[in-house]
Amino acid sequence: GDSVTQMEGPVTLSEEAFLTINCTYTATGYPSLFWYVQYPGEGLQLLLKATKADDKGSNKGFEATYRKETTSFHLEKGSVQVSDSAVYFCALNDNFNKFYFGSGTKLNVKP
Amino acid sequence: GAGVSQTPSNKVTEKGKYVELRCDPISGHTALYWYRQSLGQGPEFLIYFQGTGAADDSGLPNDRFFAVRPEGSVSTLKIQRTERGDSAVYLCASSRDSGEGSYEQYFGPGTRLTVT
Repeated sequence: GDSVTQMEGPVTLSEEAFLTINCTYTATGYPSLFWYVQYPGEGLQLLLKATKADDKGSNKGFEATYRKETTSFHLEKGSVQVSDSAVYFCALNDNFNKFYFGSGTKLNVKP
Repeated sequence: GAGVSQTPSNKVTEKGKYVELRCDPISGHTALYWYRQSLGQGPEFLIYFQGTGAADDSGLPNDRFFAVRPEGSVSTLKIQRTERGDSAVYLCASSRDSGEGSYEQYFGPGTRLTVT
Protein backbone atom coordinates (compact mmCIF):
# COMPACT_ATOMS: atom_id res chain seq x y z
CA GLY A 1 0.00 0.00 0.00
CA ASP A 2 0.88 3.66 -0.12
CA SER A 3 3.25 4.96 2.54
CA VAL A 4 5.62 7.77 3.47
CA THR A 5 9.00 7.46 5.15
CA GLN A 6 10.83 10.45 6.55
CA MET A 7 14.07 10.87 8.41
CA GLU A 8 13.98 10.47 12.14
CA GLY A 9 14.67 13.38 14.37
CA PRO A 10 15.31 15.36 16.24
CA VAL A 11 17.33 17.53 13.93
CA THR A 12 19.26 20.24 15.75
CA LEU A 13 20.72 23.15 13.81
CA SER A 14 22.16 26.55 14.53
CA GLU A 15 20.37 29.61 13.21
CA GLU A 16 21.14 30.34 9.53
CA ALA A 17 22.18 26.74 8.85
CA PHE A 18 20.95 24.83 5.79
CA LEU A 19 18.11 22.38 6.38
CA THR A 20 17.25 19.17 4.62
CA ILE A 21 14.59 16.76 5.85
CA ASN A 22 14.37 13.65 3.70
CA CYS A 23 11.07 12.14 2.62
CA THR A 24 10.47 9.19 0.32
CA TYR A 25 7.20 7.65 -0.65
CA THR A 26 5.64 4.49 -2.02
CA ALA A 27 2.51 4.83 -4.12
CA THR A 28 0.74 2.81 -6.78
CA GLY A 29 -0.55 5.81 -8.71
CA TYR A 30 0.43 9.43 -9.12
CA PRO A 31 -0.02 11.01 -5.72
CA SER A 32 0.07 14.62 -4.62
CA LEU A 33 2.75 15.37 -2.03
CA PHE A 34 2.66 17.70 0.95
CA TRP A 35 4.67 19.02 3.84
CA TYR A 36 2.78 19.94 6.99
CA VAL A 37 4.22 21.74 10.01
CA GLN A 38 3.15 21.63 13.63
CA TYR A 39 4.47 24.46 15.78
CA PRO A 40 4.57 23.95 19.55
CA GLY A 41 1.08 24.07 21.00
CA GLU A 42 -0.59 24.46 17.60
CA GLY A 43 -2.39 22.27 15.09
CA LEU A 44 -1.06 20.94 11.80
CA GLN A 45 -0.70 23.52 9.04
CA LEU A 46 -0.01 23.02 5.36
CA LEU A 47 3.48 24.29 4.51
CA LEU A 48 3.73 23.44 0.83
CA LYS A 49 2.54 20.98 -1.79
CA ALA A 50 3.28 19.59 -5.26
CA THR A 51 0.76 17.81 -7.43
CA LYS A 52 2.85 16.25 -10.19
CA ALA A 53 6.36 15.16 -11.03
CA ASP A 54 9.00 17.91 -11.19
CA ASP A 55 6.69 20.42 -9.50
CA LYS A 56 8.37 22.51 -6.82
CA GLY A 57 6.36 23.61 -3.82
CA SER A 58 7.59 26.62 -1.86
CA ASN A 59 6.51 28.72 1.10
CA LYS A 60 8.21 30.78 3.82
CA GLY A 61 11.64 30.03 2.35
CA PHE A 62 11.04 26.27 2.36
CA GLU A 63 11.13 24.28 -0.87
CA ALA A 64 10.50 20.70 -1.95
CA THR A 65 10.62 19.16 -5.42
CA TYR A 66 8.48 16.19 -6.45
CA ARG A 67 11.00 13.65 -7.83
CA LYS A 68 9.24 10.71 -9.42
CA GLU A 69 12.46 8.96 -10.43
CA THR A 70 13.65 8.79 -6.83
CA THR A 71 10.15 8.81 -5.24
CA SER A 72 11.27 11.66 -3.01
CA PHE A 73 10.02 15.01 -1.75
CA HIS A 74 12.82 16.36 0.42
CA LEU A 75 12.22 19.57 2.36
CA GLU A 76 14.94 22.25 2.21
CA LYS A 77 15.55 25.71 3.55
CA GLY A 78 18.66 27.74 2.96
CA SER A 79 18.80 29.55 6.29
CA VAL A 80 16.72 28.39 9.23
CA GLN A 81 15.49 30.61 12.04
CA VAL A 82 14.66 29.85 15.65
CA SER A 83 11.00 30.35 14.73
CA ASP A 84 11.21 27.36 12.37
CA SER A 85 11.49 25.02 15.34
CA ALA A 86 8.57 22.63 14.92
CA VAL A 87 7.63 19.12 13.86
CA TYR A 88 7.49 18.59 10.10
CA PHE A 89 5.34 15.91 8.47
CA CYS A 90 5.60 14.65 4.92
CA ALA A 91 2.34 13.35 3.46
CA LEU A 92 0.84 12.00 0.28
CA ASN A 93 -2.65 12.01 -1.10
CA ASP A 94 -3.59 9.14 -3.35
CA ASN A 95 -6.05 11.35 -5.25
CA PHE A 96 -8.90 9.35 -3.79
CA ASN A 97 -8.99 11.57 -0.72
CA LYS A 98 -6.92 9.27 1.47
CA PHE A 99 -3.85 10.80 3.08
CA TYR A 100 -0.78 9.02 4.40
CA PHE A 101 1.56 10.82 6.78
CA GLY A 102 5.13 10.15 7.79
CA SER A 103 6.02 9.89 11.45
CA GLY A 104 7.28 13.46 11.68
CA THR A 105 10.70 15.06 12.12
CA LYS A 106 11.30 17.42 15.00
CA LEU A 107 13.50 20.41 14.17
CA ASN A 108 15.25 22.39 16.89
CA VAL A 109 16.96 25.59 15.83
CA LYS A 110 19.34 27.14 18.35
CA PRO A 111 20.24 30.85 18.38
CA GLY B 1 -12.85 33.15 9.30
CA ALA B 2 -13.27 30.41 11.87
CA GLY B 3 -11.14 27.34 11.51
CA VAL B 4 -11.91 23.73 12.32
CA SER B 5 -12.93 23.32 15.93
CA GLN B 6 -13.00 20.18 18.05
CA THR B 7 -14.58 19.49 21.40
CA PRO B 8 -13.65 18.58 24.00
CA SER B 9 -9.98 19.48 23.89
CA ASN B 10 -9.25 16.83 26.50
CA LYS B 11 -11.21 13.78 27.54
CA VAL B 12 -10.32 11.34 30.28
CA THR B 13 -12.46 8.24 30.53
CA GLU B 14 -12.36 4.87 32.18
CA LYS B 15 -11.77 1.67 30.29
CA GLY B 16 -15.02 0.27 28.95
CA LYS B 17 -16.84 3.61 28.73
CA TYR B 18 -18.37 5.22 25.65
CA VAL B 19 -17.07 8.55 24.30
CA GLU B 20 -18.09 11.00 21.63
CA LEU B 21 -15.73 13.46 20.00
CA ARG B 22 -17.09 16.37 18.01
CA CYS B 23 -15.75 18.21 14.98
CA ASP B 24 -17.02 21.48 13.48
CA PRO B 25 -15.48 21.91 10.03
CA ILE B 26 -14.91 25.13 8.16
CA SER B 27 -18.19 26.40 6.72
CA GLY B 28 -18.65 25.29 3.13
CA HIS B 29 -16.12 22.47 3.28
CA THR B 30 -17.71 19.32 1.92
CA ALA B 31 -14.92 16.90 2.82
CA LEU B 32 -14.20 15.93 6.43
CA TYR B 33 -11.53 13.58 7.77
CA TRP B 34 -10.79 11.94 11.09
CA TYR B 35 -7.27 10.91 12.06
CA ARG B 36 -5.67 9.41 15.12
CA GLN B 37 -2.22 10.51 16.20
CA SER B 38 -0.28 8.52 18.75
CA LEU B 39 2.69 10.01 20.56
CA GLY B 40 5.67 10.42 18.26
CA GLN B 41 3.75 9.36 15.18
CA GLY B 42 2.09 11.05 12.26
CA PRO B 43 -1.68 11.20 11.83
CA GLU B 44 -3.24 7.89 10.91
CA PHE B 45 -6.27 8.03 8.61
CA LEU B 46 -9.53 6.77 10.12
CA ILE B 47 -12.45 7.89 7.97
CA TYR B 48 -13.38 10.36 5.25
CA PHE B 49 -16.77 11.96 4.60
CA GLN B 50 -17.89 13.62 1.42
CA GLY B 51 -21.07 15.41 2.41
CA THR B 52 -23.15 13.21 4.68
CA GLY B 53 -21.79 9.87 3.56
CA ALA B 54 -18.66 8.04 4.65
CA ALA B 55 -16.78 7.72 1.38
CA ASP B 56 -13.94 5.73 2.93
CA ASP B 57 -13.97 4.18 6.41
CA SER B 58 -11.15 1.74 5.79
CA GLY B 59 -9.01 3.26 8.54
CA LEU B 60 -11.40 2.56 11.40
CA PRO B 61 -9.53 -0.03 13.51
CA ASN B 62 -12.55 -2.12 14.52
CA ASP B 63 -16.29 -2.00 15.01
CA ARG B 64 -15.98 -0.13 18.30
CA PHE B 65 -15.31 2.98 16.24
CA PHE B 66 -18.06 4.74 14.35
CA ALA B 67 -18.51 8.24 12.91
CA VAL B 68 -21.47 10.19 11.62
CA ARG B 69 -22.07 13.43 9.78
CA PRO B 70 -25.86 13.58 9.50
CA GLU B 71 -26.26 17.04 7.99
CA GLY B 72 -23.02 17.25 6.07
CA SER B 73 -21.40 19.65 8.51
CA VAL B 74 -20.65 18.67 12.12
CA SER B 75 -19.25 15.19 12.62
CA THR B 76 -19.08 12.98 15.69
CA LEU B 77 -16.59 10.18 16.23
CA LYS B 78 -17.98 7.57 18.60
CA ILE B 79 -15.90 5.00 20.45
CA GLN B 80 -17.60 2.19 22.35
CA ARG B 81 -16.08 0.09 25.14
CA THR B 82 -12.92 2.19 25.18
CA GLU B 83 -9.58 0.48 25.70
CA ARG B 84 -6.30 1.92 26.98
CA GLY B 85 -4.87 1.50 23.50
CA ASP B 86 -7.40 4.03 22.21
CA SER B 87 -5.53 6.78 24.06
CA ALA B 88 -4.29 9.27 21.43
CA VAL B 89 -4.98 12.66 19.94
CA TYR B 90 -7.93 12.52 17.56
CA LEU B 91 -7.65 15.05 14.76
CA CYS B 92 -10.32 16.34 12.45
CA ALA B 93 -9.65 18.08 9.15
CA SER B 94 -11.85 19.57 6.46
CA SER B 95 -11.27 20.59 2.87
CA ARG B 96 -13.00 22.04 -0.13
CA ASP B 97 -12.78 19.93 -3.24
CA SER B 98 -10.26 21.79 -5.34
CA GLY B 99 -11.00 19.68 -8.39
CA GLU B 100 -7.28 19.30 -8.96
CA GLY B 101 -6.70 16.13 -7.02
CA SER B 102 -4.64 18.03 -4.46
CA TYR B 103 -6.96 18.53 -1.55
CA GLU B 104 -5.63 20.97 1.02
CA GLN B 105 -6.81 20.02 4.47
CA TYR B 106 -7.30 22.35 7.40
CA PHE B 107 -6.77 20.67 10.74
CA GLY B 108 -8.44 21.25 14.05
CA PRO B 109 -6.48 21.39 17.33
CA GLY B 110 -7.43 17.83 18.20
CA THR B 111 -9.02 16.05 21.15
CA ARG B 112 -6.62 14.32 23.51
CA LEU B 113 -8.29 11.12 24.70
CA THR B 114 -6.91 9.32 27.71
CA VAL B 115 -8.37 5.98 28.71
CA THR B 116 -7.48 4.96 32.26
